[in-house]
Amino acid sequence: NAGVTQTPKFQVLKTGQSMTLQCAQDMNHNSMYWYRQDPGMGLRLIYYSASEGTTDKGEVPNGYNVSRLNKREFSLRLESAAPSQTSVYFCASTHGGQAYYEQYFGPGTRLTVT
Amino acid sequence: DQQVKQNSPSLSVQEGRISILNCDYTNSMFDYFLWYKKYPAEGPTFLISISSIKDKNEDGRFTVFLNKSAKHLSLHIVPSQPGDSAVYFCAAMEGYNNDMRFGAGTRLTVKP
Repeated sequence: NAGVTQTPKFQVLKTGQSMTLQCAQDMNHNSMYWYRQDPGMGLRLIYYSASEGTTDKGEVPNGYNVSRLNKREFSLRLESAAPSQTSVYFCASTHGGQAYYEQYFGPGTRLTVT
Repeated sequence: DQQVKQNSPSLSVQEGRISILNCDYTNSMFDYFLWYKKYPAEGPTFLISISSIKDKNEDGRFTVFLNKSAKHLSLHIVPSQPGDSAVYFCAAMEGYNNDMRFGAGTRLTVKP
């Protein structure tokens, strides 16, 4: 049981490049989330998917798109990376449709945009 | 706007003593509160939660207290152990809204 896995662990992009961060969970959770964490700040919600087939914006969605590929997988895409998107990205999942159920987090992807 | 604030970036305590981590919030609509613990190079892990209908929730060495009138919650760890050294995040949310807001975190160091 791997829990929540994220790929890649590290990535360096040039401004304007695109990339997709992958997330998968093997706990049969309904809801999945993408957060970013910046120095001196808490985690901020980018997008979430309350159930398969649905996605919604969080606190900081600009510059990102998401796809809930199936119940297991939730990807985050940066179409045209900007230095302001340099951050650590965490994916999370929960049993229920609401976030107040315990969230399980992946190990994170450290992204640098130059 | 920072709706959840952890005003102490760091805290150092001696092993065996009590650790008290504090958190304040500004949104009176928040009704569910959680604490997460994070080690370096790992994702956060859930620690304990409390709903607004309670003022205390206990799980082993960890107790969370909620003071709704002051919009304040605290996490008590008794007794503190060196393995508790980590960054602790306070988080809050409103009802069925999935938009969970996190504080900036407090780095706890427990000295042997």
